[in-house]
Amino acid sequence: EDQVTQSPEALRLQEGESSSLNCSYTVSGLRGLFWYRQDPGKGPEFLFTLYSAGEEKEKERLKATLTKKESFLHITAPKPEDSATYLCAVQANTGNQFYFGTGTSLTVIP
Amino acid sequence: EAQVTQNPRYLITVTGKKLTVTCSQNMNHEYMSWYRQDPGLGLRQIYYSMNVEVTDKGDVPEGYKVSRKEKRNFPLILESPSPNQTSLYFCASSLILGGYNEQFFGPGTRLTVL
Repeated sequence: EDQVTQSPEALRLQEGESSSLNCSYTVSGLRGLFWYRQDPGKGPEFLFTLYSAGEEKEKERLKATLTKKESFLHITAPKPEDSATYLCAVQANTGNQFYFGTGTSLTVIP
Repeated sequence: EAQVTQNPRYLITVTGKKLTVTCSQNMNHEYMSWYRQDPGLGLRQIYYSMNVEVTDKGDVPEGYKVSRKEKRNFPLILESPSPNQTSLYFCASSLILGGYNEQFFGPGTRLTVL
């Protein structure tokens, strides 16, 4: 069964304190892994797509990496405006469905 | 402006009263999908559509219907809503071009079934 698990559930960081969020997945062949950011009361907003192990993508203070079993979202020197819930989703190459994790709620304290 | 719109944004209804939540996108995307988001369960896919007249079940399709008569619209129908369908619903769309691309999400519809 295709599954996505994110950890930790919640993370509080001081401004400038770097950390990583984890997304581990079990799929029968990965077509793509997606990271989204979701602000309270809003729809998820796309951040990155990763397709194969070893791939990395960066955007401002965020960097996403992918291995055969998990993905990390590294946050370097976070700012309060980075506070949000970060969602990971996968798509298996056997179908057209997307499977989301339950997210990591990040709070960055000034 | 490229966007996915949903209506209504908020809805309170009673058990058994049929309702439709509309979803429309202006990006000419082939793929459209409905999700529900519940605390502790995350986003779960209800139905998706690869193109006009092509729909398929996601993980939690029971109690829902969809149709895709036009490329831009993908309404979600609850024929006989029940309290366990109280949730936050999101519509999303994406291109299918050499593989799946980012999904654009609508602003959400908060549904309460009494």
